[in-house]
Amino acid sequence: KQEVTQIPAALSVPEGENLVLNCSFTDSAIYNLQWFRQDPGKGLTSLLLIQSSQREQTSGRLNASLDKSSGRSTLYIAASQPGDSATYLCAVRKYNDMRFGAGTRLTVKP
Amino acid sequence: DTGVSQNPRHKITKRGQNVTFRCDPISEHNRLYWYRQTLGQGPEFLTYFQNEAQLEKSRLLSDRFSAERPKGSFSTLEIQRTEQGDSAMYLCASSWADLNEKLFFGSGTQLSVL
Repeated sequence: KQEVTQIPAALSVPEGENLVLNCSFTDSAIYNLQWFRQDPGKGLTSLLLIQSSQREQTSGRLNASLDKSSGRSTLYIAASQPGDSATYLCAVRKYNDMRFGAGTRLTVKP
Repeated sequence: DTGVSQNPRHKITKRGQNVTFRCDPISEHNRLYWYRQTLGQGPEFLTYFQNEAQLEKSRLLSDRFSAERPKGSFSTLEIQRTEQGDSAMYLCASSWADLNEKLFFGSGTQLSVL
């Protein structure tokens, strides 16, 4: 059974800092890995999707990497802003089964 | 079309009552998923449809839960004889059929069972 773990569970940083969120998974036979953002009481917004054959994806200040063999992914956020405060979740897909981590709750202080 | 729409946003009900939620996916998407999320946890898969066919159901989906997607458009999720343990955020997502397509989520329906 696929287990997805996100560390740390919560992170607080000052504005402007670069930061890395971590995601690990136990079964490396995946189709893809997706990073989402969730604001309190809201649904999930897709940020980046990395296919199993890819090593990384970039969108603006966000960069996600994937090391399938070691079961790890990182989400790098450059020059963090207070508006980046949210919970970030990773999800791995195998067939029609998408498994989510519990998320990292990020607070960026002005 | 601006995204996945879910109604109602909030639902408070008494234990034992039936509730029904609605999801309107992005119109071009043929896959529709239901997830459940409790506080501090990631979403858990409940079921999914490809067009009007319900292709997979999680073991989490007890006999009190039923989902439909008539005509492959909107979907409904009904919970019969609600229990306090059903309190959660119910999320709907849609995508194209390609497994490497992104999932687009609605804002969810927050259910509170008293």
